[in-house]
Amino acid sequence: KQEVTQIPAALSVPEGENLVLNCSFTDSAIYNLQWFRQDPGKGLTSLLLIQSSQREQTSGRLNASLDKSSGRSTLYIAASQPGDSATYLCAVIKAAGNKLTFGGGTRVLVKP
Amino acid sequence: IAGITQAPTSQILAAGRRMTLRCTQDMRHNAMYWYRQDLGLGLRLIHYSNTAGTTGKGEVPDGYSVSRANTDDFPLTLASAVPSQTSVYFCASSDTGRALEQFFGPGTRLTVL
Repeated sequence: KQEVTQIPAALSVPEGENLVLNCSFTDSAIYNLQWFRQDPGKGLTSLLLIQSSQREQTSGRLNASLDKSSGRSTLYIAASQPGDSATYLCAVIKAAGNKLTFGGGTRVLVKP
Repeated sequence: IAGITQAPTSQILAAGRRMTLRCTQDMRHNAMYWYRQDLGLGLRLIHYSNTAGTTGKGEVPDGYSVSRANTDDFPLTLASAVPSQTSVYFCASSDTGRALEQFFGPGTRLTVL
Protein backbone atom coordinates (compact mmCIF):
# COMPACT_ATOMS: atom_id res chain seq x y z
CA LYS A 1 0.00 0.00 0.00
CA GLN A 2 1.35 3.38 -1.02
CA GLU A 3 2.22 5.69 1.87
CA VAL A 4 3.08 9.36 1.41
CA THR A 5 4.89 11.30 4.12
CA GLN A 6 5.59 14.99 4.46
CA ILE A 7 8.11 16.18 7.00
CA PRO A 8 8.07 18.57 8.76
CA ALA A 9 4.38 18.92 9.56
CA ALA A 10 4.88 22.65 10.16
CA LEU A 11 7.48 25.20 9.16
CA SER A 12 7.99 28.88 10.00
CA VAL A 13 10.40 31.12 8.08
CA PRO A 14 11.08 34.85 7.79
CA GLU A 15 9.97 36.60 4.64
CA GLY A 16 12.49 36.37 1.80
CA GLU A 17 13.90 33.00 2.82
CA ASN A 18 13.65 30.10 0.38
CA LEU A 19 11.23 27.33 1.34
CA VAL A 20 12.07 23.64 0.92
CA LEU A 21 9.19 21.20 1.38
CA ASN A 22 9.75 17.46 1.35
CA CYS A 23 7.55 14.59 0.22
CA SER A 24 8.44 10.89 0.29
CA PHE A 25 6.51 7.88 -0.99
CA THR A 26 7.02 4.17 -0.42
CA ASP A 27 6.10 2.70 -3.83
CA SER A 28 8.15 4.09 -6.71
CA ALA A 29 5.68 2.77 -9.33
CA ILE A 30 3.91 6.10 -9.68
CA TYR A 31 2.32 7.71 -12.73
CA ASN A 32 2.66 11.29 -11.55
CA LEU A 33 3.05 13.45 -8.45
CA GLN A 34 1.03 16.57 -7.77
CA TRP A 35 1.66 19.44 -5.36
CA PHE A 36 -1.28 21.39 -3.95
CA ARG A 37 -1.78 24.45 -1.81
CA GLN A 38 -4.64 24.70 0.70
CA ASP A 39 -5.60 27.89 2.49
CA PRO A 40 -7.55 27.61 5.78
CA GLY A 41 -11.18 26.69 5.14
CA LYS A 42 -10.64 26.46 1.39
CA GLY A 43 -10.25 23.81 -1.27
CA LEU A 44 -7.04 22.55 -2.83
CA THR A 45 -5.31 24.49 -5.59
CA SER A 46 -3.07 22.53 -7.94
CA LEU A 47 0.42 24.05 -8.06
CA LEU A 48 2.54 21.66 -10.10
CA LEU A 49 2.26 18.21 -11.61
CA ILE A 50 5.33 16.12 -12.40
CA GLN A 51 4.89 13.11 -14.63
CA SER A 52 6.94 10.02 -13.80
CA SER A 53 9.20 10.55 -16.82
CA GLN A 54 10.10 14.08 -15.70
CA ARG A 55 12.69 15.20 -13.17
CA GLU A 56 11.28 18.65 -12.40
CA GLN A 57 8.63 21.25 -13.14
CA THR A 58 8.78 25.01 -12.69
CA SER A 59 6.14 27.69 -12.39
CA GLY A 60 7.24 31.18 -11.41
CA ARG A 61 8.88 31.02 -7.97
CA LEU A 62 7.94 27.36 -7.59
CA ASN A 63 10.11 24.44 -8.60
CA ALA A 64 9.33 20.81 -7.90
CA SER A 65 11.76 17.93 -8.38
CA LEU A 66 11.08 14.22 -8.54
CA ASP A 67 13.41 11.31 -7.83
CA LYS A 68 11.30 8.22 -8.42
CA SER A 69 14.00 5.71 -7.54
CA SER A 70 14.45 7.13 -4.06
CA GLY A 71 10.76 7.93 -3.61
CA ARG A 72 11.21 11.64 -3.04
CA SER A 73 9.92 14.96 -4.29
CA THR A 74 10.89 18.43 -3.15
CA LEU A 75 8.98 21.66 -3.63
CA TYR A 76 11.12 24.80 -3.61
CA ILE A 77 9.54 28.23 -3.18
CA ALA A 78 12.00 31.03 -3.83
CA ALA A 79 11.99 34.32 -1.93
CA SER A 80 9.02 33.46 0.28
CA GLN A 81 6.28 36.01 0.93
CA PRO A 82 3.63 36.21 3.68
CA GLY A 83 1.06 35.29 1.01
CA ASP A 84 2.79 31.92 0.67
CA SER A 85 1.52 30.98 4.13
CA ALA A 86 -0.69 27.93 3.63
CA THR A 87 -0.66 24.15 3.89
CA TYR A 88 1.15 22.37 1.07
CA LEU A 89 0.14 18.83 0.17
CA CYS A 90 1.76 16.34 -2.14
CA ALA A 91 -0.07 13.41 -3.69
CA VAL A 92 0.88 10.56 -5.99
CA ILE A 93 -1.05 8.53 -8.54
CA LYS A 94 0.03 4.93 -8.89
CA ALA A 95 0.92 3.59 -12.29
CA ALA A 96 -2.13 1.38 -12.65
CA GLY A 97 -4.86 3.83 -11.74
CA ASN A 98 -5.93 7.42 -11.33
CA LYS A 99 -6.54 7.70 -7.59
CA LEU A 100 -4.46 10.12 -5.54
CA THR A 101 -2.76 9.13 -2.30
CA PHE A 102 -2.08 12.21 -0.18
CA GLY A 103 0.58 13.12 2.31
CA GLY A 104 -0.40 14.77 5.57
CA GLY A 105 0.76 18.20 4.43
CA THR A 106 3.24 20.80 5.66
CA ARG A 107 1.76 23.93 7.24
CA VAL A 108 3.91 26.93 6.29
CA LEU A 109 4.01 30.31 8.00
CA VAL A 110 6.02 33.10 6.39
CA LYS A 111 6.59 35.88 8.91
CA PRO A 112 6.84 39.48 7.63
CA ILE B 1 -15.41 29.21 -16.28
CA ALA B 2 -16.48 28.03 -12.83
CA GLY B 3 -14.45 24.81 -12.72
CA ILE B 4 -15.99 22.71 -9.96
CA THR B 5 -18.89 23.85 -7.82
CA GLN B 6 -20.16 22.16 -4.68
CA ALA B 7 -23.37 22.68 -2.74
CA PRO B 8 -24.14 23.32 -0.01
CA THR B 9 -21.15 25.22 1.38
CA SER B 10 -21.94 23.94 4.84
CA GLN B 11 -24.69 21.95 6.52
CA ILE B 12 -25.67 20.85 10.00
CA LEU B 13 -27.60 17.59 9.92
CA ALA B 14 -29.33 15.45 12.51
CA ALA B 15 -28.12 11.87 12.79
CA GLY B 16 -30.26 9.47 10.80
CA ARG B 17 -31.19 12.00 8.13
CA ARG B 18 -30.49 11.54 4.45
CA MET B 19 -28.26 14.09 2.73
CA THR B 20 -26.99 14.59 -0.81
CA LEU B 21 -23.92 16.68 -1.51
CA ARG B 22 -23.86 18.08 -4.99
CA CYS B 23 -20.88 18.46 -7.31
CA THR B 24 -20.83 19.87 -10.83
CA GLN B 25 -17.89 20.46 -13.15
CA ASP B 26 -17.80 22.33 -16.45
CA MET B 27 -14.42 21.14 -17.72
CA ARG B 28 -15.83 18.03 -19.47
CA HIS B 29 -13.50 15.86 -17.42
CA ASN B 30 -14.14 12.14 -17.62
CA ALA B 31 -13.17 11.26 -14.06
CA MET B 32 -14.63 12.59 -10.82
CA TYR B 33 -13.87 11.87 -7.18
CA TRP B 34 -15.17 12.43 -3.66
CA TYR B 35 -12.75 12.87 -0.75
CA ARG B 36 -13.22 13.60 2.90
CA GLN B 37 -10.68 15.57 4.92
CA ASP B 38 -10.32 15.03 8.63
CA LEU B 39 -7.80 16.46 11.07
CA GLY B 40 -4.99 13.99 11.62
CA LEU B 41 -6.22 11.64 8.88
CA GLY B 42 -5.68 13.81 5.84
CA LEU B 43 -7.62 13.40 2.60
CA ARG B 44 -9.18 10.02 1.90
CA LEU B 45 -10.98 8.85 -1.23
CA ILE B 46 -14.62 7.85 -0.73
CA HIS B 47 -15.84 7.01 -4.25
CA TYR B 48 -14.77 7.74 -7.78
CA SER B 49 -16.07 7.56 -11.32
CA ASN B 50 -13.82 7.11 -14.35
CA THR B 51 -16.59 7.95 -16.82
CA ALA B 52 -20.32 8.61 -16.92
CA GLY B 53 -22.27 5.50 -16.00
CA THR B 54 -19.48 3.90 -13.93
CA THR B 55 -18.49 4.26 -10.27
CA GLY B 56 -15.99 2.64 -7.93
CA LYS B 57 -15.21 2.42 -4.24
CA GLY B 58 -12.33 4.28 -2.68
CA GLU B 59 -10.65 3.89 0.67
CA VAL B 60 -13.63 4.77 2.93
CA PRO B 61 -16.87 4.03 1.01
CA ASP B 62 -19.07 2.67 3.82
CA GLY B 63 -22.16 4.79 4.50
CA TYR B 64 -21.88 6.67 1.19
CA SER B 65 -23.24 6.14 -2.30
CA VAL B 66 -22.68 7.93 -5.60
CA SER B 67 -24.15 8.04 -9.07
CA ARG B 68 -22.86 9.36 -12.37
CA ALA B 69 -25.75 9.87 -14.76
CA ASN B 70 -23.84 12.37 -16.93
CA THR B 71 -20.36 13.82 -17.37
CA ASP B 72 -20.90 16.98 -15.35
CA ASP B 73 -22.58 15.84 -12.11
CA PHE B 74 -21.40 13.50 -9.36
CA PRO B 75 -23.65 13.62 -6.26
CA LEU B 76 -22.64 11.97 -2.99
CA THR B 77 -25.43 10.62 -0.79
CA LEU B 78 -25.39 9.77 2.89
CA ALA B 79 -28.39 7.48 3.32
CA SER B 80 -28.53 7.74 7.12
CA ALA B 81 -25.98 10.18 8.50
CA VAL B 82 -23.90 9.34 11.59
CA PRO B 83 -21.70 11.68 13.68
CA SER B 84 -18.52 10.02 12.35
CA GLN B 85 -19.42 11.44 8.94
CA THR B 86 -18.78 14.95 10.26
CA SER B 87 -16.05 16.16 7.91
CA VAL B 88 -15.14 18.44 5.05
CA TYR B 89 -16.03 16.87 1.72
CA PHE B 90 -14.20 17.72 -1.48
CA CYS B 91 -15.20 16.85 -5.01
CA ALA B 92 -12.49 16.67 -7.67
CA SER B 93 -12.21 15.92 -11.37
CA SER B 94 -9.52 15.01 -13.86
CA ASP B 95 -9.12 14.31 -17.52
CA THR B 96 -8.30 10.64 -18.08
CA GLY B 97 -5.81 11.63 -20.73
CA ARG B 98 -2.07 11.84 -20.29
CA ALA B 99 -1.54 14.04 -17.27
CA LEU B 100 -4.40 13.02 -14.91
CA GLU B 101 -4.07 16.35 -13.09
CA GLN B 102 -6.83 16.66 -10.49
CA PHE B 103 -8.77 19.84 -9.77
CA PHE B 104 -10.73 20.36 -6.58
CA GLY B 105 -13.95 22.10 -5.62
CA PRO B 106 -14.26 24.46 -2.64
CA GLY B 107 -15.63 21.82 -0.29
CA THR B 108 -18.72 21.20 1.83
CA ARG B 109 -18.40 21.34 5.61
CA LEU B 110 -20.83 18.81 7.08
CA THR B 111 -21.65 18.45 10.77
CA VAL B 112 -23.77 15.51 11.91
CA LEU B 113 -25.22 15.86 15.39
